[in-house]
Amino acid sequence: DVKVTQSSRYLVKRTGEKVFLECVQDMDHENMFWYRQDPGLGLRLIYFSYDVKMKEKGDIPEGYSVSREKKERFSLILESASTNQTSMYLCASSSVRERREMVYEQFFGPGTRLTVL
Amino acid sequence: AQSVTQLGSHVSVSEGALVLLRCNYSSSVPPYLFWYVQYPNQGLQLLLKYTSAATLVKGINGFEAEFKKSETSFHLTKPSAHMSDAAEYFCAVSEGNPGGYQKVTFGIGTKLQVIP
Repeated sequence: DVKVTQSSRYLVKRTGEKVFLECVQDMDHENMFWYRQDPGLGLRLIYFSYDVKMKEKGDIPEGYSVSREKKERFSLILESASTNQTSMYLCASSSVRERREMVYEQFFGPGTRLTVL
Repeated sequence: AQSVTQLGSHVSVSEGALVLLRCNYSSSVPPYLFWYVQYPNQGLQLLLKYTSAATLVKGINGFEAEFKKSETSFHLTKPSAHMSDAAEYFCAVSEGNPGGYQKVTFGIGTKLQVIP
């Protein structure tokens, strides 16, 4: 059974703190993604990675950075947390091996609800 | 550029009634289309996907969706709602990228309420 896990379900941090959100997948997927989910805005892509040590900015990368040192792990970093980063953060992964259809289903973790005070 | 519009951020149906969640897309190339479901306090789970094969796609839990190119729509339906269907549903579109990363654009979501 495919699995994407996230290090915390709930997290409370203070403004200015450095925050690490960890994501691990056990499916040997090449692609990994970080989204934030806000009411009325759906899912917005922050960063993605298509290989170890490779990263690309998504639609809303400001205030975030990422790290992918190992294939199975993708970390999201908030360098200096701010209240407007209070949100639900979702990690996902997908494979590029379904080349025939070129359709890459994304598998999601349970999410981390981050509150910045 | 690809985009998705979900009509209705909240939909209420009675138990046993038809479920219809609307999704319209915009894409410059033939798209791949998805419906995901999110139950409370969980991540997203794939319900079904359109991959340019059959236009009527069947998914899990009795859901299905029909791709209509002329209407640029991919509406999700279920003949008879069950209480366990109460969740948030996301439509998503991807234009694909042969051999590379495929960006997925999600709609804002529709919360389905099922009334006993």
